[in-house]
Amino acid sequence: QVQLVQSGADMKKPGASVRVSCKAFGYTFNSYGVTWVRQAPGQGLEWMGWISTYNGNANYAQKFQGRVTMTTDTSTSTAYMELRNLRSDDTAVYYCARTPLGGGLDPWGQGTLVTVSP
Amino acid sequence: EIVLTQSPGTLSLSPGERATLFCRASQYVASNYLAWYQQKPGQAPRLLIFGASTRAAGIPDRFSGSGSGTDFTLTISRLESEDFAVYYCQQYIHSPPRYTFGQGTKLEIK
Repeated sequence: QVQLVQSGADMKKPGASVRVSCKAFGYTFNSYGVTWVRQAPGQGLEWMGWISTYNGNANYAQKFQGRVTMTTDTSTSTAYMELRNLRSDDTAVYYCARTPLGGGLDPWGQGTLVTVSP
Repeated sequence: EIVLTQSPGTLSLSPGERATLFCRASQYVASNYLAWYQQKPGQAPRLLIFGASTRAAGIPDRFSGSGSGTDFTLTISRLESEDFAVYYCQQYIHSPPRYTFGQGTKLEIK
């Protein structure tokens, strides 16, 4: 069964960093990219970036340039998203999603709630 | 940057009725790169349609997508109770890969 399992909820103080993991099961990890999307409380979906699991190339949304780093570990079929210098408006559910070339994002991880609070 | 505008913001219908949701892009979108998602409260989004009109695996045939260029439509032919949710359209640019989502349409029970 193809699925992505994310790390658990986390709480951070402003200025800290958070790393969210996304472990893939049921498919060949380096045959698909991984996309990260976040959703603030009561808001819509916001694309953060994409990473190739084949060569590690990443493309980030301009809004997050300089604050986000996406990586993968092919030995464990796990993708990571690190967001630095957290602010209160980074409080959101962070999702990873398997990303085929030219197709839709499918499936999605269950989401990881990151709360940023003093 | 392409902006996707979904309409209506909220759609109130009854089970058994037909739902038509719209997604308009600020620039031309290659049809292969337009997708629709369903999201229920407390759940991750689920892919419904990709390539503007291709149903994802396991999606019932009451869901259909159409459109090209800048105007796209998601139609649910006969609403069932589990279809009431928020729907997002999304476009994709290939090189380098980047995505944009619409702001969503909430489909609620009338």
